Amino acid sequence: EIVMTQSPVTLSVSPGERATLSCRASQYVGSNLAWYQQKPGQAPRLLIYGASIRATDIPARFSGSGSGTEFTLTISILLSEDFALYYCQQYNNWLFTFGPGTKVDIK
Amino acid sequence: EVQLVESGGRLVRPGGSLRLSCGASGFTFDDFPMSWVRQAPGKGLEWVAGINWNGVSTYYVDSVKGRFTISRDNAKNSLYLEMNSLRAEDTALYYCARDKSLGWFDAWGRGTLVTVSS
Repeated sequence: EIVMTQSPVTLSVSPGERATLSCRASQYVGSNLAWYQQKPGQAPRLLIYGASIRATDIPARFSGSGSGTEFTLTISILLSEDFALYYCQQYNNWLFTFGPGTKVDIK
Repeated sequence: EVQLVESGGRLVRPGGSLRLSCGASGFTFDDFPMSWVRQAPGKGLEWVAGINWNGVSTYYVDSVKGRFTISRDNAKNSLYLEMNSLRAEDTALYYCARDKSLGWFDAWGRGTLVTVSS
């Protein structure tokens, strides 16, 4: 099983600032990495797939980078609606695994 | 509009069984693999099971192998999860998710809650 880790656990950021979230895979996953946003009481929403490709209707302030085992999600200018939980997920094989999540909250 | 609607979740005793359903609309259901993803209360996401477009191939996380069965009926645009020998640790909100392309999920339902407790 590929284990995903995310850091930090919580990221406190002021609106308008930049947020950088990290995700690491225990084994090589190439670019088979997705990012999701989840708000309280809602289902997850796909933000990024293929490590760096924005999903449909996702604003340009969200960007993904990395390959292999190290990945980053960057939110360039945080808006109030971006305060949420963020999960990474690998799909290098059919045993898909998610990271434990990073909570982005208001500083 | 793509819609996924789960149903079937309820309170069940340990050792019991349950069948979850997911109705799909707004897209050609048999064009896509599908999965079930769960989220225990206050916890993160866990992929549980997946099925390819025609139901021939199925995949499971180790903790549910031999207890859960994923299936689909393309004629009814429906996905199912048969859950047997339920344990307290299976308590979670179960989401149905569309697999856009070999493992990333671009559409999710709102989930159905399964509670395993005596």
